[in-house]
Amino acid sequence: AQTVTQSQPEMSVQEAETVTLSCTYDTSESDYYLFWYKQPPSRQMILVIRQEAYKQQNATENRFSVNFQKAAKSFSLKISDSQLGDAAMYFCAYSKRGTYKYIFGTGTRLKVLA
Amino acid sequence: ETGVTQTPRHLVMGMTNKKSLKCEQHLGHNAMYWYKQSAKKPLELMFVYSLEERVENNSVPSRFSPECPNSSHLFLHLHTLQPEDSALYLCASSQDRRNHYEQYFGPGTRLTVT
Repeated sequence: AQTVTQSQPEMSVQEAETVTLSCTYDTSESDYYLFWYKQPPSRQMILVIRQEAYKQQNATENRFSVNFQKAAKSFSLKISDSQLGDAAMYFCAYSKRGTYKYIFGTGTRLKVLA
Repeated sequence: ETGVTQTPRHLVMGMTNKKSLKCEQHLGHNAMYWYKQSAKKPLELMFVYSLEERVENNSVPSRFSPECPNSSHLFLHLHTLQPEDSALYLCASSQDRRNHYEQYFGPGTRLTVT
């Protein structure tokens, strides 16, 4: 069965600094998608970034980038120039191609210090 | 706002009550999802509907009964719930599973079972 593990329940970063959130997953599939979602306090969860497993190039969205290591089954999120608005729960998720099933990790709470 | 609305936002019910959660998406998506979010646990996928047909049902107790009358509306009917069912219930929608577009989440219904 596929699993997603986020080993950091909570992280802190100074404003304008860089932080990396870790995610590992377990699957025997070769064709799948990985996601990072952000859930701000009392607000709706939104997609931060998406990676297709067959693409070797790491996805990037403005200040957000991933380090996708397929062989190691690792999918970390790097946030550069952290801002106060980045404070949120961050969830890593996996989905096998062709299915509707998404598997989420337990989340990492990110605090941004002014 | 993500284009997915949920009502009510908060619900307190006794174990013998019957209530329903409602979700509506204004995005023209084909798939809709129910998730359960409990503290320090991964999001649990409960049900998935694609074009009003249930395509995923993850061993959810029968006291939870979903209904999808059309591709824009999704309900979760609740009856004889247990205190451990207290959680945040999230609805989401997505465009299509083939390319695994992002899921758009609603704000959730905070359910408390007394």
